[in-house]
Amino acid sequence: GQNIDQPTEMTATEGAIVQINCTYQTSGFNGLFWYQQHAGEAPTFLSYNVLDGLEEKGRFSSFLSRSKGYSYLLLKELQMKDSASYLCAFSNDYKLSFGAGTTVTVRA
Amino acid sequence: DAGVIQSPRHEVTEMGQEVTLRCKPISGHDYLFWYRQTMMRGLELLIYFNNNVPIDDSGMPEDRFSAKMPNASFSTLKIQPSEPRDSAVYFCASSLVPQGNYGYTFGSGTRLTVV
Repeated sequence: GQNIDQPTEMTATEGAIVQINCTYQTSGFNGLFWYQQHAGEAPTFLSYNVLDGLEEKGRFSSFLSRSKGYSYLLLKELQMKDSASYLCAFSNDYKLSFGAGTTVTVRA
Repeated sequence: DAGVIQSPRHEVTEMGQEVTLRCKPISGHDYLFWYRQTMMRGLELLIYFNNNVPIDDSGMPEDRFSAKMPNASFSTLKIQPSEPRDSAVYFCASSLVPQGNYGYTFGSGTRLTVV
């Protein structure tokens, strides 16, 4: 079957670093996505990994290990506006399957 | 680019009534997806289309749900009859290529409440 696990909640201080872990199980895999979703809004695309390793995009980085079924999203220099839900998703046959999301709360 | 456009933004209806949700994908995007989001089940894929053709509807919960894409710029998701457990946010998303650094672009969603 298919399964995605990520922590439910994380809290961090403004300016700090937070790492959101995601583990997944799937029979078919075409890539790993991270989306950000603010309360009451639509998910927005953050990052994509298809090969093992680290992809960096400004303050956000995403890592993938296909052999371990593991990814993480690293948020650096946290800002208040980063308070949101972060969704891990894998792609299989053009379909994205999403985890339940990790709610990150940034405190001053 | 106006993005993915969904209507209505909010819908409140009585149990047993028919509900139709509408979506206009981004021009040129060949893939269209309908998702449902609830607190209990998160984001669930209901159905997706490629070039207006339904490819996978295995996520459609029951025969009460149906989706159509009569042309490249319009899709509908219909629930008939609606039930309180259908209350959720329904998202439409479109993609040029659902892989790589394109990902999906989601619409703003329709918040459906069935009373």
